[in-house]
Amino acid sequence: AQSVSQHNHHVILSEAASLELGCNYSYGGTVNLFWYVQYPGQHLQLLLKYFSGDPLVKGIKGFEAEFIKSKFSFNLRKPSVQWSDTAEYFCAVNGNQFYFGTGTSLTVIP
Amino acid sequence: NAGVMQNPRHLVRRRGQEARLRCSPMKGHSHVYWYRQLPEEGLKFMVYLQKENIIDESGMPKERFSAEFPKEGPSILRIQQVVRGDSAAYFCASSLTSGQSSYEQYFGPGTRLTVT
Repeated sequence: AQSVSQHNHHVILSEAASLELGCNYSYGGTVNLFWYVQYPGQHLQLLLKYFSGDPLVKGIKGFEAEFIKSKFSFNLRKPSVQWSDTAEYFCAVNGNQFYFGTGTSLTVIP
Repeated sequence: NAGVMQNPRHLVRRRGQEARLRCSPMKGHSHVYWYRQLPEEGLKFMVYLQKENIIDESGMPKERFSAEFPKEGPSILRIQQVVRGDSAAYFCASSLTSGQSSYEQYFGPGTRLTVT
């Protein structure tokens, strides 16, 4: 069965700290990978996506993610977070179905 | 091109009443997904529909919940005899296609259901 795991449920960082949010999936076939962000009071927006090619993908607002096939991982990173990055982050995998992780709540302290 | 539309944005129902949530997908999208987001929890898949067909309803509670996506008009998520535990945000998403495809899902703003 296909599944997505986000290991960090709550993350608190100070501004300018570096961020890495973990995402692992279980699916043996070809997958498309996504990170979505949900700012407080808003709906989900696509942050970045991986379909094929370069496993290091760049998204909006300075975010990037790296697909490591051997580890079934698609971790999200940002070198220096800002207060405005406070949000809920969801990893999603589209293999034979679209599955979301349970989300990671990020709080950035000014 | 309008995005995914959901209405109402906020819905208050008393226990035992029915709740109807509507979702209009993006223009040209024929695949609709419903998710539920409970407080302090992530998105939970409920159902995946194409026009006039339910493709996957593995995430739907067995009783009181139903969904449809008619040939004409929006997709409807219907909750009969609501209980307090149904209080949540319900999100709809649409895509051009699904499965082994490259198309991501676009989300609507959600409907926040409160059961009193």
